[in-house]
Amino acid sequence: AQRVTQPEKLLSVFKGAPVELKCNYSYSGSPELFWYVQYSRQRLQLLLRHISRESIKGFTADLNKGETSFHLKKPFAQEEDSAMYYCASKTGNQFYFGTGTSLTVIP
Amino acid sequence: KAGVTQTPRYLIKTRGQQVTLSCSPISGHRSVSWYQQTPGQGLQFLFEYFSETQRNKGNFPGRFSGRQFSNSRSEMNVSTLELGDSALYLCASTRSEGETQYFGPGTRLLVL
Repeated sequence: AQRVTQPEKLLSVFKGAPVELKCNYSYSGSPELFWYVQYSRQRLQLLLRHISRESIKGFTADLNKGETSFHLKKPFAQEEDSAMYYCASKTGNQFYFGTGTSLTVIP
Repeated sequence: KAGVTQTPRYLIKTRGQQVTLSCSPISGHRSVSWYQQTPGQGLQFLFEYFSETQRNKGNFPGRFSGRQFSNSRSEMNVSTLELGDSALYLCASTRSEGETQYFGPGTRLLVL
């Protein structure tokens, strides 16, 4: 079965510092990969997907098939980035989510 | 356009009871997926419905079931509730395959 691993439950960085949220997946094929974000008291929402190769709110994520990773990065963290982040993979119509990383940006 | 709605938002039940949760997708969305969210396990996929047919099912016992109606609204049922079923149940709708999932606010179920 597919598995998505987010090794860090909690991550704290200072405002303006770079941030990287780690995500590893286990799948021999070519999954679709996503990052979802949940801000305090808001719904879970899509942040970005690897096939779009886009940067949303300054975040980027590169699929590394050799390392089976899809780490989320931002060069300069902002206070409003504090949230819960979930990495997810999709095969067919089924999503597999990681357990999430809670990011706190310290002012 | 109204977002995904879920009812009820909060629910308290006792062990052995059953519960039905409802999800109304965004207008025009035909796919509805259900997830269970707990602090220890994160988000776990329950099942996905498209055009009234279950297309995918996660690794949950048969006590968890669902259905989808012709208007795309979906219900999830859990029978013989256990303490471990306490969780936030999320549904998400998609217009079609490959499109973005939009999540509802969730139904928080507490089993006593």
